[in-house]
Amino acid sequence: NAGVMQNPRHLVRRRGQEARLRCSPMKGHSHVYWYRQLPEEGLKFMVYLQKENIIDESGMPKERFSAEFPKEGPSILRIQQVVRGDSAAYFCASSGVINTEAFFGQGTRLTVV
Amino acid sequence: SQQGEEDPQALSIQEGENATMNCSYKTSINNLQWYRQNSGRGLVHLILIRSNEREKHSGRLRVTLDTSKKSSSLLITASRAADTASYFCATDNTGNQFYFGTGTSLTVIP
Repeated sequence: NAGVMQNPRHLVRRRGQEARLRCSPMKGHSHVYWYRQLPEEGLKFMVYLQKENIIDESGMPKERFSAEFPKEGPSILRIQQVVRGDSAAYFCASSGVINTEAFFGQGTRLTVV
Repeated sequence: SQQGEEDPQALSIQEGENATMNCSYKTSINNLQWYRQNSGRGLVHLILIRSNEREKHSGRLRVTLDTSKKSSSLLITASRAADTASYFCATDNTGNQFYFGTGTSLTVIP
C-alpha cells in the first residue's frame, strides 16, 4: 500500500509561469489536505478537499491559487503566474475519514527564479 | 488562531537523555497529533491522541494530553542521534484541517 505520492519532488519555475503540483492520496483515502511550508517555518493549512468538492479553502490565497480533487486522478494544486514569494515546500496529506491520522507525502519543493 | 505552539523552539541533548517537547493550543480539539520532519523531508506521523485520552505510548514515545490546560507533551526516551529532527504538533477540532505550530528543532548529540 503506497503512501501519499507527490510529484514532482522539485519544481523550478520562472516568474510568471504556472506551477502544477500533484498529490495521489493513499489507497482508500478520500480526504486531501494541502499545506505550505516556508523556510524555517511551520506548516500552514491551505485547502481541504474531498472527491470533487472543496470543503475548506480558507488558507488559500485569493488569487492565482486553485485546487481540485477530481473523481479520477490525483489532486492538483495549481499556482498561476508564480512569484518569488511562492517558493516553498508544498505538502499534501490524506486521511480516510475525519478524526483519523493524516499521512503526508514527501512534498514538492517549488523554487521560483 | 487555533494553531498549536511548540515549546521550546530548539532543544539540544546528549544521546541517551530524554527529550521533552510541549505543545499548547487555543480552542477545544477532537485530537492532537505529533509529527516528525527530518531536514528537507516530508512529515512522518508519530502518534495521535484523542481528546478523551490522557496518555499514549508508542515505543520510546510518550504523549500526554491535558485538555484543561490545552497542552500536550511529547517525551522521547533514551534519545538517539537519528531522533534529530523537527517535531510538530497538529490539532484538529473540526475534522477539516490540522493546525500546525512552528515546531521544535531537536538535536541529539552522539
